[in-house]
Amino acid sequence: QVQLVQSGAEVKKPGASVTVSCRASGYSFASSDIDWVRQATGQGPEWMGWMNPNSGNTGYAQKFQGRVTMTRSTSISTAYMELSSLRSEDTAVYYCATGALGSSRRTFDFWGQGTLVTVSS
Amino acid sequence: EVVMMQPPATLSVSPGEGATLSCRASQSVSSNLAWYQQKPGQAPRLLIYGASTRATGIPARFSGSGSGTEFTLTISSLQPEDFAVYYCQQYNNWPLTFGGGTKVEIK
Repeated sequence: QVQLVQSGAEVKKPGASVTVSCRASGYSFASSDIDWVRQATGQGPEWMGWMNPNSGNTGYAQKFQGRVTMTRSTSISTAYMELSSLRSEDTAVYYCATGALGSSRRTFDFWGQGTLVTVSS
Repeated sequence: EVVMMQPPATLSVSPGEGATLSCRASQSVSSNLAWYQQKPGQAPRLLIYGASTRATGIPARFSGSGSGTEFTLTISSLQPEDFAVYYCQQYNNWPLTFGGGTKVEIK
């Protein structure tokens, strides 16, 4: 079965960077884009961007351009999301997600368990 | 950016009753609309895609309708496990966007 397992919670100071990892199993990692979505407490989800594990191509929401970098390691079926210049407003749960295998529709059929990133001085 | 609106923020319903949730897009998203259910401490779960197609394993009491800018999620008879927050998401345009959610609470 498809599983996405994320790294543990992080506490960072303003101005620092954070990297969250997402290890995929149960399917061919290269066959489906990985998206990153974050959710602040009490808010709706917010899409950050996508990465194609096969090519490494990425697409980021304009809001995060210049601050976010999505990469992968195909040898260990793991995707990474790095967010820099952290501020308090970046405090949220960060999720990796992927869509229906073999489909081009941009829905999130499978999710990681989420990683809480807290930005506090 | 397509703004997704989900009034009301909270819906109070008695178990066994039906519920109708609304989602409105600021511009047409065709039928590229999905619904998710989220419970506390969990990731969202995909319920509906293509505005009306149930995802794998989703009970028949969940149904979706609409196209363009107006969409509806209907839960025919609320079970205890259905009390949660529901989000809509459009995937017609970049960036992908979600609504603010409707919380379905026990009346």
